[in-house]
Amino acid sequence: GQQVMQIPQYQHVQEGEDFTTYCNSSTTLSNIQWYKQRPGGHPVFLIQLVKSGEVKKQKRLTFQFGEAKKNSSLHITATQTTDVGTYFCAGLSLNDYKLSFGAGTTVTVRA
Amino acid sequence: SQTIHQWPATLVQPVGSPLSLECTVEGTSNPNLYWYRQAAGRGLQLLFYSVGIGQISSEVPQNLSASRPQDRQFILSSKKLLLSDSGFYLCAWAPGGNTEAFFGQGTRLTVV
Repeated sequence: GQQVMQIPQYQHVQEGEDFTTYCNSSTTLSNIQWYKQRPGGHPVFLIQLVKSGEVKKQKRLTFQFGEAKKNSSLHITATQTTDVGTYFCAGLSLNDYKLSFGAGTTVTVRA
Repeated sequence: SQTIHQWPATLVQPVGSPLSLECTVEGTSNPNLYWYRQAAGRGLQLLFYSVGIGQISSEVPQNLSASRPQDRQFILSSKKLLLSDSGFYLCAWAPGGNTEAFFGQGTRLTVV
């Protein structure tokens, strides 16, 4: 069945530095979605990528969807303390509405 | 506007007891519904999803079951809880198609 893998599991970042989290699906996806979960909270939607090779930006966050629609990345520049949390990618399958999440990347920031 | 209700927020249950978690959605019709479990410090494991009344897809064979008796109601159940059933259970809904999912506040279940 469809599996979504995400690395790294943990990311410790110095404030002001950049980092990237990567997501790979075992099958071609209909779309890829990204969510952020703060400690003790529930996942909150950030963005969705639908088209092959699509790139979207939200301020310091850049999201990419691979050409084969099987992989994605989230790049954060100039990390701030407000970026702390766990970032999840989620892949929507092509043939039904199965939404599978990656394991998440938990980000901590050193001031 | 659409809202999702999930309750209770926290639950402590003894091993071997039954479980029933309810999730309801307001302000929309025919949503896709999902149940996820998140172990402490871990990712979201898809347990069940449903695209319509009475239609349940199970992702992981386990001690749990799900039902969708009404269009906007999704129930997660167990006849006998195990210690390994402890975790953070999240219900989510999506309008269908290429759209985002909206999560409930979650239920933190501790089996003792």
